[in-house]
Amino acid sequence: GNSVTQMEGPVTLSEEAFLTINCTYTATGYPSLFWYVQYPGEGLQLLLKATKADDKGSNKGFEATYRKETTSFHLEKGSVQVSDSAVYFCALSDASGGGADGLTFGKGTHLIIQP
Amino acid sequence: DAGVIQSPRHEVTEMGQEVTLRCKPISGHNSLFWYRQTMMRGLELLIYFNNNVPIDDSGMPEDRFSAKMPNASFSTLKIQPSEPRDSAVYFCASSPVWGEKLFFGSGTQLSVL
Repeated sequence: GNSVTQMEGPVTLSEEAFLTINCTYTATGYPSLFWYVQYPGEGLQLLLKATKADDKGSNKGFEATYRKETTSFHLEKGSVQVSDSAVYFCALSDASGGGADGLTFGKGTHLIIQP
Repeated sequence: DAGVIQSPRHEVTEMGQEVTLRCKPISGHNSLFWYRQTMMRGLELLIYFNNNVPIDDSGMPEDRFSAKMPNASFSTLKIQPSEPRDSAVYFCASSPVWGEKLFFGSGTQLSVL
């Protein structure tokens, strides 16, 4: 079946530090990959996505590259801000799998940025 | 566009009571999803609909949970009877096409005492 594994948190960084949140996946087909962000008291919202190998998704200074050879989609940002404090979810959708198993989220990584 | 609308935002009830959570998806979206979020289990998919038809309810924890989508603009998730372990944040999400990005509502914080 499909699964997503991401690093456990909380991850605590100082403002302007470099951020990496690791995400690896297993999928029966050829999935699309997503990063969602959840701010306190809100629902998840899409941060970025990539649909095929070597694609780079980017938004708000965050980037992630679809690496098929390592089945990874690590999230990076060069200089984090206090406002980036949130929970980040890696996810995949695999249309070939169908059903609920085709849409899978990681457990989330809580990021805390200190001024 | 108002986004996905959920009600109520907060619900506090006593064990044994019936709870109904409501969701209005974004107009034109064909897929609707119900998720539950807890600290212990993270984000769990309970059920999803495509064109108002339930496609996969394998995530529904037990028969006390039921979900309906009578039309393209409304869905409910019902828990009867509720138990303290049902306390969680319940999210509704919709998508224009299955597999595309999800648009989440703000969630319903449920507390069962």
